[in-house]
Amino acid sequence: EVQLVESGGGLVQPGRSLRLSCAASGFTFHGHAMHWVRQAPGKGLEWVSSINSNSGGILYADSVKGRFTVSRDNANNSLYLQMNSLRTEDTAFYYCARAECDHCWLIDFLGQGALVTVSS
Amino acid sequence: EIVLTQSPGTLSLSPGERATLSCRASQSVGRNFLAWYQKKPGQGPRLLISGASSRATGIPDRFSGSGSGTDFTLTIRSLEPEDFALYYCQQYAYSPITFGQGTRLEIQ
Repeated sequence: EVQLVESGGGLVQPGRSLRLSCAASGFTFHGHAMHWVRQAPGKGLEWVSSINSNSGGILYADSVKGRFTVSRDNANNSLYLQMNSLRTEDTAFYYCARAECDHCWLIDFLGQGALVTVSS
Repeated sequence: EIVLTQSPGTLSLSPGERATLSCRASQSVGRNFLAWYQKKPGQGPRLLISGASSRATGIPDRFSGSGSGTDFTLTIRSLEPEDFALYYCQQYAYSPITFGQGTRLEIQ
């Protein structure tokens, strides 16, 4: 059974940093690109970042470029999102997501999400 | 960036009725790389349809997708109580991946 479990969410002040983790199981992690998707309260879904299997291809949404860094550890089946210079508008549920394959962008499975609240 | 516009914003129907949700793209979606997701409170989104019309694994056949180019439709043939949720379309042909704003399917 495919599982993606996010952790590391919480309350943080504007300008501070937070690191999200995602533990993957039930599939061959190194065979898939991975994404982060978020949903702010009362808003729709927003793609945040993607990373391919060997970390050679990384993309970011303009809204987080220069502040967020995605990375992965294939040996430990883990995905990360380092979030720096957080803003109130970054408040959202953050979902770890699996791409259907390594060189494709279709998201075929998402975790249950971790809540990040940016507030003073 | 491709902008996806979903309509209606809210759809009020009864169990057993047919639901038709629309997604219009600001430009043609290459290779019909258009997906539909279902979102329920407290859960992550679930993939329903990819490639505009291919049902994902385990998705009941009352869900169907159609369309091409800029106009796409998700149809739910006969609504079950568990189908009342939020639905999002998404294009994955071009970076950045973009989502529609969602259609809320509520019980009438």
